[in-house]
Amino acid sequence: GAVVSQHPSWVICKSGTSVKIECRSLDFQATTMFWYRQFPKQSLMLMATSNEGSKATYEQGVEKDKFLINHASLTLSTLTVTSAHPEDSSFYICSARDWQGANTGELFFGEGSRLTVL
Amino acid sequence: ILNVEQSPQSLHVQEGDSTNFTCSFPSSNFYALHWYRWETAKSPEALFVMTLNGDEKKKGRISATLNTKEGYSYLYIKGSQPEDSATYLCAFFSGGYNKLIFGAGTRLAVHP
Repeated sequence: GAVVSQHPSWVICKSGTSVKIECRSLDFQATTMFWYRQFPKQSLMLMATSNEGSKATYEQGVEKDKFLINHASLTLSTLTVTSAHPEDSSFYICSARDWQGANTGELFFGEGSRLTVL
Repeated sequence: ILNVEQSPQSLHVQEGDSTNFTCSFPSSNFYALHWYRWETAKSPEALFVMTLNGDEKKKGRISATLNTKEGYSYLYIKGSQPEDSATYLCAFFSGGYNKLIFGAGTRLAVHP
């Protein structure tokens, strides 16, 4: 199956700093990438959808200035948590699909990143 | 608001037991229903993508059925093994929204 690599897996940072998480599709072209956030014992909550070369579309309630998403190439998307605060501590996971996945929504996931803001 | 419900939330079974989980989803504007297996410290792995009412899919000891008219899918595991321990996620794809809506998952623990 298609491989998506996400890093870092774990990151601890001080309050007020910014953190960048990378998501790469290793063996396919990811026309669309999705960023999810998961709170304990809850569903994966979609934060934003990004298409290569376009601005990301954010879900209602997600601050676009807080969570900067860049999808500059067909194999790389980044999520930057700006001026992180303890309430941003969470599990973030990316996923990607190619053009064939547009009909069924099939996604390939990264391993996820655990962010802890002190 | 689209809502995907999974039950039970967690399940503990003995090795060799057969088990099943339920996923409920909106019955309107249906495009596809996905099942993923998510093992700790790994990426969620796609098990099945189901698109047609009445679909039945099978992969080894794991199978799934789909009823789009009433909005539910069942995942079955026959003869559970410890390596089946994982969180099983279902997700609903609606063409109108062009995104997957996930349930909270069923956490399965298979004890030797």
